[in-house]
Amino acid sequence: AQSVTQLGSHVSVSEGALVLLRCNYSSSVPPYLFWYVQYPNQGLQLLLKYTSAATLVKGINGFEAEFKKSETSFHLTKPSAHMSDAAEYFCAVRGTSGSARQLTFGSGTQLTVLP
Amino acid sequence: EPEVTQTPSHQVTQMGQEVILRCVPISNHLYFYWYRQILGQKVEFLVSFYNNEISEKSEIFDDQFSVERPDGSNFTLKIRSTKLEDSAMYFCASSERDSNTEAFFGQGTRLTVV
Repeated sequence: AQSVTQLGSHVSVSEGALVLLRCNYSSSVPPYLFWYVQYPNQGLQLLLKYTSAATLVKGINGFEAEFKKSETSFHLTKPSAHMSDAAEYFCAVRGTSGSARQLTFGSGTQLTVLP
Repeated sequence: EPEVTQTPSHQVTQMGQEVILRCVPISNHLYFYWYRQILGQKVEFLVSFYNNEISEKSEIFDDQFSVERPDGSNFTLKIRSTKLEDSAMYFCASSERDSNTEAFFGQGTRLTVV
């Protein structure tokens, strides 16, 4: 079974500071990994995905994540936080076989950006 | 930009009543999903649907739940006899055929069972 663990349910950073949201995965096979963002009262929007190509993945809004197999991690970073980044962020994993499409989500990290 | 749309955005229903949540997936997508998020908890997979049949389902998706694609555009989730613990945000999602593509999510339907 696959799972993801997000360390830190709440993260606060100052505007302009580095954002680091942690995600570790557990999977018996090479996984596909995703980061989604949820703004208040909205659905889940894809930030970026890892599907076994480049290990450093760039996404929307200046976010990127690096797949590290040795550490089973897929941490999300942004060099400089903006007030508009305040949202909940979810890491998710799924298998790579064609039939198993469902995502397994982490418990989420609420990002607060302080002025 | 194509998007997944869900109706209604909010639904209040009495315990024991049947409820149908509706979704219009992105038109060229072939895989359809329902997820739910109980307040304060993680997003959980309920069911996936491909080629007019359920392809995967979780243990949450018991006999009280059913899904249907009644026509070429809609995808519905029916809860036969709602319970208080069914109160949650329900998300519909869809994805393309290729296995390395992501799921696109709708805005969700907030279901409140009273």
